[in-house]
Amino acid sequence: QSALTQPPSASGSPGQSVTISCTGTSSDVGGYSYVSWYQQHPGKAPKLMIYDVSKRPSGVPDRFSGSKSGNTASLTVSGLQAEDEADYYCSSYAGSNNLFGGGTKLTVL
Amino acid sequence: QVQLQESGPGLVKPSQTLSLTCTVSGGSISSADYYWSWIRQPPGKGLECIGYIHYSGSPYYNPSLKSRVTISVDTSKNQFSLKLRSVTAADTAVYYCARDRGGVLTIDSWGQGTLVTVSS
Repeated sequence: QSALTQPPSASGSPGQSVTISCTGTSSDVGGYSYVSWYQQHPGKAPKLMIYDVSKRPSGVPDRFSGSKSGNTASLTVSGLQAEDEADYYCSSYAGSNNLFGGGTKLTVL
Repeated sequence: QVQLQESGPGLVKPSQTLSLTCTVSGGSISSADYYWSWIRQPPGKGLECIGYIHYSGSPYYNPSLKSRVTISVDTSKNQFSLKLRSVTAADTAVYYCARDRGGVLTIDSWGQGTLVTVSS
């Protein structure tokens, strides 16, 4: 089963909003409400930013939001800040095979 | 707050077995709410779920690795382990142990990761 599809890169200026997509199938993203998003800075372990499509763990700024439509989930980062520059990965429960996306490098211009 | 720490050799020869252990502190591995996962990341590449285990049940393995992987749990030591057999250079990666809330790839706690290089 292939990884979920993410754009390899995204960018925005400080203060702007950027949205990263994560496309799967009806067997994963579209079939369950178990999409998560992770932020990874270089040399660090990933950090959970969004779970269950749109829920934020304690301590994650409300500038980060998640949504889903059909087989595509999205992560929106509003009010971009320099520290948001990182790699972002989506993940989805898929019953017999849980999946990560290929990752998106977010650049703050 | 739960903490996870990977341990094991950083260099493994081709065709041999990669063995890693994850020690969990600050929480019980016998919690009903959590699954214990191994995830890897080849240098410069994305994340791959290797598999996970619940303290009370059978492990789940990524189908692409299933024939070579064993994940086990030792509740007496609050540890879980990974064995990956017949390794090749393609298995070179940072290996993370992690806590999965509910077994749905909601990873709320990660180890720091350990680089394992497969080379002769």
